[in-house]
Amino acid sequence: GENVEQHPSTLSVQEGDSAVIKCTYSDSASNYFPWYKQELGKRPQLIIDIRSNVGEKKDQRIAVTLNKTAKHFSLHITETQPEDSAVYFCAASNPLGSGSARQLTFGSGTQLTVLP
Amino acid sequence: SAVISQKPSRDICQRGTSLTIQCQVDSQVTMMFWYRQQPGQSLTLIATANQGSEATYESGFVIDKFPISRPNLTFSTLTVSNMSPEDSSIYLCSDRHQGSYGYTFGSGTRLTVV
Repeated sequence: GENVEQHPSTLSVQEGDSAVIKCTYSDSASNYFPWYKQELGKRPQLIIDIRSNVGEKKDQRIAVTLNKTAKHFSLHITETQPEDSAVYFCAASNPLGSGSARQLTFGSGTQLTVLP
Repeated sequence: SAVISQKPSRDICQRGTSLTIQCQVDSQVTMMFWYRQQPGQSLTLIATANQGSEATYESGFVIDKFPISRPNLTFSTLTVSNMSPEDSSIYLCSDRHQGSYGYTFGSGTRLTVV
């Protein structure tokens, strides 16, 4: 099955700086890579996702890059703000595949703290 | 994307008892999943809820402990049986629509077993 590794486990940045979180996956059949933000006591919220047919996707201050050859993808947050502080999870799946490939496999999470 | 209503939002239960968590989706979905999130940890898939048939359980999770029902395309339940303090966790349901890549999560059930 799929295995997703995420680094770092904690990340502190100054407000206005950039934050980068990296993930690797093991199953070359995975083709969908979402990122979730989870604030304390709340459900995971999708913040951006990327499919394997593109190498980069951007939405305002958030961008995700994907390197299929190396099987890694990264989340980039620019101009960080205190409200970006949360736990971020990467995940991988093949939603339209068969069997267990359709499941979302999560990374271990990154606690991001943005210091004012 | 679908809207998932999950209840209860939290409960405190005595050890040895059972709790049933419900998830209702506002439209028909292809797949429904149940996750456990232990304090400070990531999400771990318990099982995939299959409509009209037995759920598919992940390694380490068994039907006797976590029976799951999915009588139709919009509703599923997870029961945590014979609870112990180690079952204290957040339980989340999730879904994915047919032909869609996105997954949506319920608001979670925070379970404390005393």
